[in-house]
Amino acid sequence: LAKTTQPISMDSYEGQEVNITCSHNNIATNDYITWYQQFPSQGPRFIIQGYKTKVTNEVASLFIPADRKSSTLSLPRVSLSDTAVYYCLVVDDKIIFGKGTRLHILP
Amino acid sequence: SAVISQKPSRDICQRGTSLTIQCQVDSQVTMMFWYRQQPGQSLTLIATANQGSEATYESGFVIDKFPISRPNLTFSTLTVSNMSPEDSSIYLCSIIPDREQKTQYFGPGTRLLVL
Repeated sequence: LAKTTQPISMDSYEGQEVNITCSHNNIATNDYITWYQQFPSQGPRFIIQGYKTKVTNEVASLFIPADRKSSTLSLPRVSLSDTAVYYCLVVDDKIIFGKGTRLHILP
Repeated sequence: SAVISQKPSRDICQRGTSLTIQCQVDSQVTMMFWYRQQPGQSLTLIATANQGSEATYESGFVIDKFPISRPNLTFSTLTVSNMSPEDSSIYLCSIIPDREQKTQYFGPGTRLLVL
């Protein structure tokens, strides 16, 4: 099973760009990289998924270098409502959640 | 994406009793899973709910404690049996509509408190 490592927590301020990096050294050829967001008392919510290079949607961007051993979730101009836990997953046969990154946005 | 609902949304139970949690999806999906999330922790996969056959359990989880039913492609139940306070958690069902991309969608969760 591919394992992911990401910072336990991060603080940032409203209006800033936040980048959360995840390492996944044992990623397999067919694995996708997926990020989820979870607010307290809610189920995780899909944010973005990518395989290589860069993916962008209305919520975030995902940067994946050529070796795919890491990925960076970029949240542009965060607000207080972006305070949540963010999970990086490498999806193979089983979907296993790591500890996630607790992002705290300050006013 | 599919709409996933869970019942009940929350419950308070006495130790030694059992609770059955329902997960309903508004479309047919092959892959459905049950997770547990203890307070302040990440999600732990309990089992894969297989339609028409027995569920596949992860290490540390057994069928006697967490029996699962999957009678069709839109519905599943998870029973938490002979509960103890250590079973107090949020229980979530999830689906993967697309087998290739494996993007996973979660239900709202069932918050269980065992006294």
